[in-house]
Amino acid sequence: EAGVTQFPSHSVIEKGQTVTLRCDPISGHDNLYWYRRVMGKEIKFLLHFVKESKQDESGMPNNRFLAERTGGTYSTLKVQPAELEDSGVYFCASSQDLLAGVGYNEQFFGPGTRLTVL
Amino acid sequence: AQSVTQLDSHVSVSEGTPVLLRCNYSSSYSPSLFWYVQHPNKGLQLLLKYTSAATLVKGINGFEAEFKKSETSFHLTKPSAHMSDAAEYFCVVIGGYSSASKIIFGSGTRLSIRP
Repeated sequence: EAGVTQFPSHSVIEKGQTVTLRCDPISGHDNLYWYRRVMGKEIKFLLHFVKESKQDESGMPNNRFLAERTGGTYSTLKVQPAELEDSGVYFCASSQDLLAGVGYNEQFFGPGTRLTVL
Repeated sequence: AQSVTQLDSHVSVSEGTPVLLRCNYSSSYSPSLFWYVQHPNKGLQLLLKYTSAATLVKGINGFEAEFKKSETSFHLTKPSAHMSDAAEYFCVVIGGYSSASKIIFGSGTRLSIRP
């Protein structure tokens, strides 16, 4: 079974440009999460989708970040315009819904996208 | 509220010696606790998990962790370090049992192995 995949693995852009990150969750996982780790600090929660709906977007830093999950499958995270402080590693994770009988919210992580804003 | 503190940002041990990575947690609920590992250029991989079953949890690659409620700790150990253990390790707490429960990461401990 394929794990969570993310594209691209690394992106280098200039300040003011736009970047779109993509995440493909494990097939059948309704829950999809975005996290980021900036400047070697803690990994921080950004937002949580349940299928195509945003369950919690309290971690989104500002309105330059837009996340979508069309059709409840893959998700994109767009940064527009990018700023220097957006540099970091963006992780995506997915999990099954608890109704599927899973007793805890184990999340499976992708390899991350390393974003460098110059 | 939930929080997790990893007490060491960097640990260095010699190959073949024991590993101890320390983690303390704070949780309003009976917590679910995890250790994840990230090798260079790889994704976060689950090492082991505690979900209110046995307090001594065994994970992959010879790692284990003991949940100690009285000390609010969940330290990660391994009897004998291997060069391939060099990576960054994250202690994680989830304060609930719904898919909306937030996962809280510690700041990470980078483990170096000396030959």
